[in-house]
Amino acid sequence: DQQVKQNSPSLSVQEGRISILNCDYTNSMFDYFLWYKKYPAEGPTFLISISSIKDKNEDGRFTVFLNKSAKHLSLHIVPSQPGDSAVYFCAAMSSNSGGSNYKLTFGKGTLLTVNP
Amino acid sequence: KAGVTQTPRYLIKTRGQQVTLSCSPISGHRSVSWYQQTPGQGLQFLFEYFSETQRNKGNFPGRFSGRQFSNSRSEMNVSTLELGDSALYLCASSFLQGNEQFFGPGTRLTVL
Repeated sequence: DQQVKQNSPSLSVQEGRISILNCDYTNSMFDYFLWYKKYPAEGPTFLISISSIKDKNEDGRFTVFLNKSAKHLSLHIVPSQPGDSAVYFCAAMSSNSGGSNYKLTFGKGTLLTVNP
Repeated sequence: KAGVTQTPRYLIKTRGQQVTLSCSPISGHRSVSWYQQTPGQGLQFLFEYFSETQRNKGNFPGRFSGRQFSNSRSEMNVSTLELGDSALYLCASSFLQGNEQFFGPGTRLTVL
């Protein structure tokens, strides 16, 4: 049972345009969400996160939107740059489990390709 | 501040053998988590250690085990290797449980 789903395995956009990566989750206990970026032969790098008390978090070119009622979040990258080409993982966790469930549940990732 | 380091970076083993992977967290980080990444399954949580105790465990068979030392360094062991264990094994550390995790470069294990 996949609790975090990234339904698009790949996405291709032109440089300068907006990239929108989507993520859906099923576990209503999840209240903290993160996006990681991964280049080949490297470990994932933390990008941006959002708590369930917010519906938007912005950091430079990266903005994450959270729609709790739809159990959906999205990562917007604008403007997209060729260096953004990587696999993007959505991850979720429950922070209210008293230390017993501090594990990240990841989606399978979306390969973003930004074409010059 | 040095990042998370993992050794070895690459490993080739044969079926039935066992393997031990090592992870050194960022200095001061006390939580270490391990993940398996395969092309079909993405990143899957193996286990998490905090203060030398396993606090959390994923859905993997008992052949997968780990431990954490008093200096927060962690090791992961896989016994009786199977072909399907070929994967990238990632270690991540965080200051406390529930904080953002910082990943190492991974150990690429190939089982022949």
